[in-house]
Amino acid sequence: GAGVSQSPRYKVAKRGQDVALRCDPISGHVSLFWYQQALGQGPEFLTYFQNEAQLDKSGLPSDRFFAERPEGSVSTLKIQRTQQEDSAVYLCASSLVRTSGIGDTQYFGPGTRLTVL
Amino acid sequence: QKEVEQDPGPLSVPEGAIVSLNCTYSNSAFQYFMWYRQYSRKGPELLMYTYSSGNKEDGRFTAQVDKSSKYISLFIRDSQPSDSATYLCAMNRLGGGNTPLVFGKGTRLSVIA
Repeated sequence: GAGVSQSPRYKVAKRGQDVALRCDPISGHVSLFWYQQALGQGPEFLTYFQNEAQLDKSGLPSDRFFAERPEGSVSTLKIQRTQQEDSAVYLCASSLVRTSGIGDTQYFGPGTRLTVL
Repeated sequence: QKEVEQDPGPLSVPEGAIVSLNCTYSNSAFQYFMWYRQYSRKGPELLMYTYSSGNKEDGRFTAQVDKSSKYISLFIRDSQPSDSATYLCAMNRLGGGNTPLVFGKGTRLSVIA
């Protein structure tokens, strides 16, 4: 497929469990973003990668949240010791970086809906 | 006060109506402005992307940006039931796709046949 894919689409976790969410960006897209979307809200930024480098993690809500992109392609968002307030849709987006250094628009995946019981 | 304000609605209109959606923002560093459409249980889908103040038209959709007033709008002409979705405005700073998007809350639109 040509779009951003995410897995799993749905995840139910018991409070205290660790979860890992996967994002496959569009092939060739250098930039990758994670966003969190609470019910009835717009997406909120979590973290940003350019290739394998995590350039901005200012939106991660706590040290229980960790993201990686070791080979500059697939990314994983890990949440340790999940809490009920972590229940949300986690969206991944990717974009090109033009030769000018200016980025292109961001394309979103379908999201992973996390429910913490 | 949030950086981007958007009336969440819901907004309900009859088929064929002209729909007007808008957002205001407070950060003058925002340079790129987007409208995304999000269907239930799907990811946001890009509708319109603008850089400068003025109008941009694409089919039934027109995006307006007024940087002096920090106000952006999306107009949908001849609205269809298939336009029923949540519309999110989004914007980012110079650097475009390299900088995080800041979203409004989204406006839920229903177009009634």
